[in-house]
Amino acid sequence: AQSVSQHNHHVILSEAASLELGCNYSYGGTVNLFWYVQYPGQHLQLLLKYFSGDPLVKGIKGFEAEFIKSKFSFNLRKPSVQWSDTAEYFCAVTPLYGQNFVFGPGTRLSVLP
Amino acid sequence: SQTIHQWPATLVQPVGSPLSLECTVEGTSNPNLYWYRQAAGRGLQLLFYSVGIGQISSEVPQNLSASRPQDRQFILSSKKLLLSDSGFYLCAWSAGQGNEKLFFGSGTQLSVL
Repeated sequence: AQSVSQHNHHVILSEAASLELGCNYSYGGTVNLFWYVQYPGQHLQLLLKYFSGDPLVKGIKGFEAEFIKSKFSFNLRKPSVQWSDTAEYFCAVTPLYGQNFVFGPGTRLSVLP
Repeated sequence: SQTIHQWPATLVQPVGSPLSLECTVEGTSNPNLYWYRQAAGRGLQLLFYSVGIGQISSEVPQNLSASRPQDRQFILSSKKLLLSDSGFYLCAWSAGQGNEKLFFGSGTQLSVL
């Protein structure tokens, strides 16, 4: 079965700082990769996903993630964060032909105005 | 359009009592259905998923069970609740093919006293 780890439990940044949230997964086969975000008081929603092709994936709100197969990583980045990016971010993985989405423990991002 | 309904929103139950949380999806057929538990610092833990009626996969051994009596209905149950069953439970669905994104319900906050 696959597993997902996220490097940071809580990240605190000032507005305009750059963001990188780490995500590593373990699985012996091909996977699909996702980043989900949960804003305070809201449902989880998809930020971006990688299925195949260009390993640099662009998502909503200026976020992007890079899949590095050799490192089993799918790190999330944003060049300049805003206060409204304050949320919890979850990395998730599912096998290419499987249905079980497995999530990481989440990283809480706090952006100070 | 597709919608997912999950109820109740909050539930307070005594230890040893039974549990039944219900989740239904509208506007799609043959969805993959999921039950997650979200706990602070532990992220989203996949409990069960189902790819069809009567087909249940359990990810972690526990005091809970799941059933899928109809195509778009997913039920989380327990015969006797434990204190450790307290938590926030999320139902989710995805399309039956292609491992597209998950759509989450609004969640149930369960407190076992």
